[in-house]
Amino acid sequence: AQSVTQPDIHITVSEGASLELRCNYSYGATPYLFWYVQSPGQGLQLLLKYFSGDTLVQGIKGFEAEFKRSQSSFNLRKPSVHWSDAAEYFCAVRADNNNDMRFGAGTRLTVKP
Amino acid sequence: GAGVSQSPSNKVTEKGKDVELRCDPISGHTALYWYRQSLGQGLEFLIYFQGNSAPDKSGLPSDRFSAERTGGSVSTLTIQRTQQEDSAVYLCASSLGRATNEKLFFGSGTQLSVL
Repeated sequence: AQSVTQPDIHITVSEGASLELRCNYSYGATPYLFWYVQSPGQGLQLLLKYFSGDTLVQGIKGFEAEFKRSQSSFNLRKPSVHWSDAAEYFCAVRADNNNDMRFGAGTRLTVKP
Repeated sequence: GAGVSQSPSNKVTEKGKDVELRCDPISGHTALYWYRQSLGQGLEFLIYFQGNSAPDKSGLPSDRFSAERTGGSVSTLTIQRTQQEDSAVYLCASSLGRATNEKLFFGSGTQLSVL
């Protein structure tokens, strides 16, 4: 079955600084990849997704992610972080032949003023 | 409704009691998922419903857990004889159910605390 690893449990960045959240997946074929954000007291919101085509995908709130097959990675990036980006970020992978979307353990982002 | 609705938002129960958690998906969404999010853990898949097909129960952790979806809409997750390790946030999500790459819409979850 597919699986996801988010190596960083907690990241702190200064407001205005760039951000990269790491995600590595394990799956034999081309996966469907997602990034979700969970703000305090909120449900999960989809930031972006990849399933084919251009390996650099753009999402909401200025986020982007790049699919790198050679590295089995789908890292999330943002050039300039805003205080409102403080949240928990989840990477997820889904195979094309089952219903089970696997999520990583999440990365908590703290933004310093 | 406008989004996925879950109730109750918080549930405190005593060990050994049964609990029922409810999920109202977005109208017209044929796919419905239950996930569990324990403290410091990622989201753990529990069960998946798609239309009238038999549900995918492969994620249910024990036979104390069960779920139903009546009329293809509302779903109830039941935990019997609750244990302290069942304490978690239980999230429901729905989607149109037409494509594997489609977006999931999540509810705000039910925080279950087993004392």
